Amino acid sequence: GENVEQHPSTLSVQEGDSAVIKCTYSDSASNYFPWYKQELGKGPQLIIDIRSNVGEKKDQRIAVTLNKTAKHFSLHITETQPEDSAVYFCAASPNAGGTSYGKLTFGQGTILTVHP
Amino acid sequence: GAVVSQHPSRVICKSGTSVKIECRSLDFQATTMFWYRQFPKQSLMLMATSNEGSKATYEQGVEKDKFLINHASLTLSTLTVTSAHPEDSSFYICSARAGPPHGYTFGSGTRLTVV
Repeated sequence: GENVEQHPSTLSVQEGDSAVIKCTYSDSASNYFPWYKQELGKGPQLIIDIRSNVGEKKDQRIAVTLNKTAKHFSLHITETQPEDSAVYFCAASPNAGGTSYGKLTFGQGTILTVHP
Repeated sequence: GAVVSQHPSRVICKSGTSVKIECRSLDFQATTMFWYRQFPKQSLMLMATSNEGSKATYEQGVEKDKFLINHASLTLSTLTVTSAHPEDSSFYICSARAGPPHGYTFGSGTRLTVV
């Protein structure tokens, strides 16, 4: 089955700095890679995702890059703000196109703390 | 769009009793829903995949007789923790796939405490 490794487990940055979280996956069949933000006591919220047919996607301060050959993908947050502080999870899923329902495999999570 | 509503948000029950958690897709039909369990400071672990009108598929190591899943309609899946024990205390989260651009949408989670 799929195995997703996520690093670092904790990340502390100053407000305004950039934050980068990296994930690797093992199953070459995976083709959908979402990133989630989870605040304390709440369910995960999708912040950005990427499919294997593109190498990069950006949404305002958030970007995700994907290297299929190396089987790794990264989350980049620029101009970080205190409200970005949360736990971030990467995930991978196979066969996520059309009506297929591939299972999500999650990374271990990264606790991001943005200091004012 | 693509909202998943999960209830209750918190529940405390006595050992030996059963607890039902509901997961509803509010503005889309979900033929498949997923149930996860999350321990403090840990990642989400998939427990089972819930399929409308058929039996759920459980992950290895998950007791199907303890965690009963029913997906009777295209908008509702329920997880019942039977004969709950303190070790069942955890954060349970459901998810459904709404299709692009929403991806997998998660409920707000249920904090179960068994005393």
